[in-house]
Amino acid sequence: AQKVTQAQTEISVVEKEDVTLDCVYETRDTTYYLFWYKQPPSGELVFLIRRNSFDEQNEISGRYSWNFQKSTSSFNFTITASQVVDSAVYFCALSEAVTGNQFYFGTGTSLTVIP
Amino acid sequence: DADVTQTPRNRITKTGKRIMLECSQTKGHDRMYWYRQDPGLGLRLIYYSFDVKDINKGEISDGYSVSRQAQAKFSLSLESAIPNQTALYFCATGSGFSYNEQFFGPGTRLTVL
Repeated sequence: AQKVTQAQTEISVVEKEDVTLDCVYETRDTTYYLFWYKQPPSGELVFLIRRNSFDEQNEISGRYSWNFQKSTSSFNFTITASQVVDSAVYFCALSEAVTGNQFYFGTGTSLTVIP
Repeated sequence: DADVTQTPRNRITKTGKRIMLECSQTKGHDRMYWYRQDPGLGLRLIYYSFDVKDINKGEISDGYSVSRQAQAKFSLSLESAIPNQTALYFCATGSGFSYNEQFFGPGTRLTVL
């Protein structure tokens, strides 16, 4: 079974619109970590955020915010006032303590911000 | 200098050729990983190593082999490359003491003709 599901394959928004990227995960472990990575057209993976399973506080970093809800096993990512530079593929990932640092990636959401 | 480096960054080869992709890290991490990325499939784990004497198969190890020459070096080999191994390959490192975070190299784009 897929451990990390990113149901949105592609999203297009017009610049300055807000956009939310969904991530749903599945785990039986009580200790786990969730991550978001950005992959711009140049191909490298850029780390955005890490969350552990014991910290459900939402986080805001500039135009980026993350909503972690254990009750729905979701870790959604919102970009406020999107910009063209936000165009990229975004990956959500899960790491479980029991599997010792092995990552499970979602299939990614390709975001296009139209000027 | 980058903490995780991969060589080569791009490679075009022919079916049947042996190819080695190399990964080096200066982060001092004990754990290293190889992933491949295909469009629409995300990143899938090929092999991982928790220390020099520990090698484990990942989700898609068939057709690949690895060598952990030292704590800092982890190589991925394609013994006889085939076209469906055309992909973007990432090396990553990690430490059990760093909140399970993984640090990725810049990627190697491999094309098998």
